[in-house]
Amino acid sequence: EAGVVQSPRYKIIEKKQPVAFWCNPISGHNTLYWYLQNLGQGPELLIRYENEEAVDDSQLPKDRFSAERLKGVDSTLKIQPAELGDSAVYLCASSSPGATDTQYFGPGTRLTVL
Amino acid sequence: GDSVTQMEGPVTLSEEAFLTINCTYTATGYPSLFWYVQYPGEGLQLLLKATKADDKGSNKGFEATYRKETTSFHLEKGSVQVSDSAVYFCALSPDFSNTGKLIFGQGTTLQVKP
Repeated sequence: EAGVVQSPRYKIIEKKQPVAFWCNPISGHNTLYWYLQNLGQGPELLIRYENEEAVDDSQLPKDRFSAERLKGVDSTLKIQPAELGDSAVYLCASSSPGATDTQYFGPGTRLTVL
Repeated sequence: GDSVTQMEGPVTLSEEAFLTINCTYTATGYPSLFWYVQYPGEGLQLLLKATKADDKGSNKGFEATYRKETTSFHLEKGSVQVSDSAVYFCALSPDFSNTGKLIFGQGTTLQVKP
């Protein structure tokens, strides 16, 4: 069984540029999560999807961050424009129906904003 | 609000030594408790979990007991191996949330030397 796939693995951009991260969850997992992990810290939830619906986006900075999950499978997280403080690892995770207490994480995208 | 506190790292041990990584939490009600592990270059993986007081989670020689009276969920292993070198995250899922929301500690790095 393939795990959660994320791309790119690394991204370096100049500040004020846009950037996008892509996530493909485990097949059959209807719940998808995006987390932000700062250096030396634990992950913090940005947004959670149930199928194509964003059911918890309270921690997503909506002035510059956006996300979508068209057709309830793949998801894209976008930052526009990026700021220096956005440098971090962006993690995607998924869980199966009725088993939200077990989340499967992708390897993450490490973003560096110069 | 709910929170998780882990002992500061890095923890450096020799192979076959006994491991304890302390984790305490603050939460209302009866949260579920988790330990996740992150090996270098990989995504977080669920190591073990406990969903009610006095439950013991175990996996791969690791154990942790849900202690309501001390609000703790310390991770232990009797004999560590070099391959156990990783970052360990303690996490909780708030009581009755059933949403998969996870609140993580800051992580503890374990280095095992041969």
